[in-house]
Amino acid sequence: EVQLVESGGGLVKPGGSLRLSCAASGFTFSNAWMSWVRQAPGKGLEWVGRIKSKTDGGTTDYAAPVKGRFTISRDDSKNTLYLQMNSLKTEDTAVYYCTTERNYYDSSGYSNWFDPWGQGTLVTVSS
Amino acid sequence: SYELTQPLSVSVALGQTARITCGGNNIGSKNVHWYQQKPGQAPVLVIYRDSNRPSGIPERFSGSNSGNTATLTISRAQAGDEADYYCQVWDSSTALCVFGTGTKVTVL
Repeated sequence: EVQLVESGGGLVKPGGSLRLSCAASGFTFSNAWMSWVRQAPGKGLEWVGRIKSKTDGGTTDYAAPVKGRFTISRDDSKNTLYLQMNSLKTEDTAVYYCTTERNYYDSSGYSNWFDPWGQGTLVTVSS
Repeated sequence: SYELTQPLSVSVALGQTARITCGGNNIGSKNVHWYQQKPGQAPVLVIYRDSNRPSGIPERFSGSNSGNTATLTISRAQAGDEADYYCQVWDSSTALCVFGTGTKVTVL
């Protein structure tokens, strides 16, 4: 069974740092492209960023609100995805989900979707 | 940046058909994916690439995409279908993922 389990959430002061982890099992993690998606309380889903598999370059992409502050990394030997969050702001308060990205190429170009998702971990940025 | 617009809420009578729209500029040229999220739970993929259902998703869920509107259709709506629904695309021009604003479906 495919499983994603996030951890590391908690309360942090504005300007502080936090590292989230996502432990993966039930699939070949090293081949997977992985993303983080967040959801502020009572709000919609917001893509945070992703990391490609090492065989596909291991590169990262980030949404504008977190670029330069957040870093996504992976440890394939531990089947674990990470999200390092620095210079946190109150607007970063959200449940953070890790998810496996599925990719597809056709005449329309590149497309991706997310399946499955972890249960999420809550990050609260407040003084 | 690319935007996806959904109605805030949709109500449907038990056993009837609900249609949730997702509007975007020339969205018909993109692949659209749909997620269901029940309160306190993680999102679940219900439709991918416009009209494909993952295994385990009932045939009552279907999707279409053309022009400037993609549509998720829930046939024979059940109480268990009450949830928030989000559409999602990949915007190739910015290399960013975009989610719709979300629609709350209520089954009466």
